[in-house]
Amino acid sequence: GENVEQHPSTLSVQEGDSAVIKCTYSDSASNYFPWYKQELGKGPQLIIDIRSNVGEKKDQRIAVTLNKTAKHFSLHITETQPEDSAVYFCAATSYGKLTFGQGTILTVHP
Amino acid sequence: NAGVTQTPKFRILKIGQSMTLQCTQDMNHNYMYWYRQDPGMGLKLIYYSVGAGITDKGEVPNGYNVSRSTTEDFPLRLELAAPSQTSVYFCASSAQGALYGYTFGSGTRLTVV
Repeated sequence: GENVEQHPSTLSVQEGDSAVIKCTYSDSASNYFPWYKQELGKGPQLIIDIRSNVGEKKDQRIAVTLNKTAKHFSLHITETQPEDSAVYFCAATSYGKLTFGQGTILTVHP
Repeated sequence: NAGVTQTPKFRILKIGQSMTLQCTQDMNHNYMYWYRQDPGMGLKLIYYSVGAGITDKGEVPNGYNVSRSTTEDFPLRLELAAPSQTSVYFCASSAQGALYGYTFGSGTRLTVV
């Protein structure tokens, strides 16, 4: 089955800096890559996704890039704000199943 | 629009007890999922359903059971609770399955002592 590895497990940045979270996947048949944000005490919420026929997607301060050859994808957050502090999960869909990475705790210091 | 509603939010069980975690969604989604979240381990799929009357095992189904008698409800049953089932449980739904975004509930924190 699919295996998704996510790094780093924790990330601390200053407000205004950029943050990058990276994920690798094992199944070359994976074709959908969503990112979820989980705030304390809440369920994960979809923030951006990318499909295998696209190399990059951007939505305001967040962007996702996909390298299918290398089987890795990344989340980029620019101009970070304290409210960006949360746990972020990457995921990959292969044969109808969504597999999550282990999560990254992002802390943005004012 | 309530989305996905999970009850209870917190529960403490004794070893060997049983309970049902409730999940209901009001978006008429066919696909529903149960995940457990353990620290540093991400979310692991327990069971899923692609429509009323259809359920299937996920990655970690042992010790759990589900049913899907209606489109709205997808309860998760724990029989003979064990300490290894201490976790946070999330229910999710999707209109079109794993190639589209999921809507998650707010979770149930379960402790087995």
